[in-house]
Parts: sequence; C-alpha cells; structure tokens
Amino acid sequence: DSGVTQTPKHLITATGQRVTLRCSPRSGDLSVYWYQQSLDQGLQFLIQYYNGEERAKGNILERFSAQQFPDLHSELNLSSLELGDSALYFCASSVGTDGNTEAFFGQGTRLTVV
Amino acid sequence: DQQVKQNSPSLSVQEGRISILNCDYTNSMFDYFLWYKKYPAEGPTFLISISSIKDKNEDGRFTVFLNKSAKHLSLHIVPSQPGDSAVYFCAARNSGGYNKLIFGAGTRLAVHP
Repeated sequence: DSGVTQTPKHLITATGQRVTLRCSPRSGDLSVYWYQQSLDQGLQFLIQYYNGEERAKGNILERFSAQQFPDLHSELNLSSLELGDSALYFCASSVGTDGNTEAFFGQGTRLTVV
Repeated sequence: DQQVKQNSPSLSVQEGRISILNCDYTNSMFDYFLWYKKYPAEGPTFLISISSIKDKNEDGRFTVFLNKSAKHLSLHIVPSQPGDSAVYFCAARNSGGYNKLIFGAGTRLAVHP
C-alpha cells in the first residue's frame, strides 16, 4: 500500500459526459501529480500541484482540469469525454518538488468511455 | 517527442538468470533516474533510483547503471525470480522540473521457472 488513495477504482461513462477523479496523497506529501496511461503505453504526465498551486503542466487537454484543495487532496476533472479518453489515470504524491525523492503512486482509476 | 525510450517492449528470462532492462534518454538536463515496477491492476511501485552524479546504484538484487555519455541506463536483476514478472518503467526527472517524471513506455518482464 503506497498510501495514495484514488477513487473511484473504475468508472464507465458515456461520451460527452463529465467525470471527477479524486486523489488523497500520502500523509505529509505536498505534491500531487496526475498521469494518464493509455493502452499499455507509458505514463503521460498531465499536471502537478504543490501545496495547492499548479507547478507544472504536461500534455493536458483543455477539456481536462485539476485542482488541489487546502487539505491537499486533488481532483482531476474530465469533461466532454471522448472514446479516446478511456485510460488508466494515476495520481502520485511526493514530499516536495525538489531533491531526489521518488513519487508514490495510487492504484489508478480505470476510465471507460462508451 | 519521446525523451525516455524503452525499446524492448518485452523480455523473457529463466528463473535464476540475469534480467537486463534498458532505457535511453535524449534530454541532457535529466539529473535523476528511477525505475518503477508495475503489476496488473496496481499502480507503479518505486524500485530503485540513481542520481546523474553516480554511475551505479545497488539495492539487493537490483542494480541500476547509468552511462551519461551514451544517455543510457540499465536495470539488472540478479537472480531473477518469478515474482519479478511485471512491467518495468524507466523514468527521468528534469533538473528544475519540480520533480515531474518523464516515463518510458515500459518493458514487460516474464521470468519463467
């Protein structure tokens, strides 16, 4: 158990809909990262938050947005969903943004868009 | 633009032998490299890391080698065990990149008894 909790584990929704994925980081971790893994591909970095502020952005679509709340949990919002958005979405957390620290990953949310 | 490449999608090794997983990168600004292991239906689990100031880091059966001039790193598992069967991801961090990790596509390792 990495200490990072993601809910829900599975989500099936229709095209055009909007969903929210939730992540609770490890206790004490201030940084949260979101990654997308499609079809057994590598993990694509989406976005990073540190202590409530956006710190880095990857190839995140405009239809996607995220935020980190004062209690440090994070939500990834996906809207106007398309079939191609079906993927595993992972959240990871780490203590900070600097230093040689590894990120710890949650078990992921499997999103299926039908 | 794939900055981290794992060119072997799969590797099959006999139990007890050495497994060597390779990773190449293109960005000379990467200063920290990590290997993650992933089992089906689970999130990636950190395995071992290496700073760009080192060329080798060892942790039990796992050793990571870094060749900066060739922009290449490898993970050696000796001896390989059936429980090592998983997908292995190489990841790299850009200095000043807020610890954002760039991942390779992964190599699926199968260790046969």
